[in-house]
Amino acid sequence: SAVISQKPSRDICQRGTSLTIQCQVDSQVTMMFWYRQQPGQSLTLIATANQGSEATYESGFVIDKFPISRPNLTFSTLTVSNMSPEDSSIYLCSATTSGGRNTEAFFGQGTRLTVV
Amino acid sequence: GENVEQHPSTLSVQEGDSAVIKCTYSDSASNYFPWYKQELGKGPQLIIDIRSNVGEKKDQRIAVTLNKTAKHFSLHITETQPEDSAVYFCAPTFGGGGADGLTFGKGTHLIIQP
Repeated sequence: SAVISQKPSRDICQRGTSLTIQCQVDSQVTMMFWYRQQPGQSLTLIATANQGSEATYESGFVIDKFPISRPNLTFSTLTVSNMSPEDSSIYLCSATTSGGRNTEAFFGQGTRLTVV
Repeated sequence: GENVEQHPSTLSVQEGDSAVIKCTYSDSASNYFPWYKQELGKGPQLIIDIRSNVGEKKDQRIAVTLNKTAKHFSLHITETQPEDSAVYFCAPTFGGGGADGLTFGKGTHLIIQP
């Protein structure tokens, strides 16, 4: 299994600013992902965080808006850039301990972001 | 990509009764069918999963059934308890989501009435 810690757990930010969310896993994992969950909604995959290379983004998400780093196997950051109220959401980090098939995904508790 | 529909969106049952949530998917290549439970203020947690070569799997009070022909699978919770109150998500996928991330259903808010 894997325990995932996210910081901060919540924040209130001014529009036009940026926020960096940190994700730390307590064990070596193969894959790390970032999701967005708007209040009362489902989770949407933002990107796959690749170690030592550029993240792989899903349709509708771009690197300029959501830059992601993953300098090692257990740590990743997501930055929400030039924020607007529409970015208010919960951002979740996820990791899997194997790149193989039928693998459990573990999630952090999420970062609740409010943009005012 | 995978189109996932989940029903109902809200389900209210009396404590002790059973609850059933259904997930319908579009991609016939999907071969891994997990259910996640999300409690308030927490991230989702895997509660049960099934692979395409199995029709049913049980784990104490919860079970998952799969109908690959009809492309749907269901979560069954028996003898419901207050701690079962949560939002449940299905996430059918090919390859288990280990490499590619997950596409979630819209979720079912399960309410257990005392």
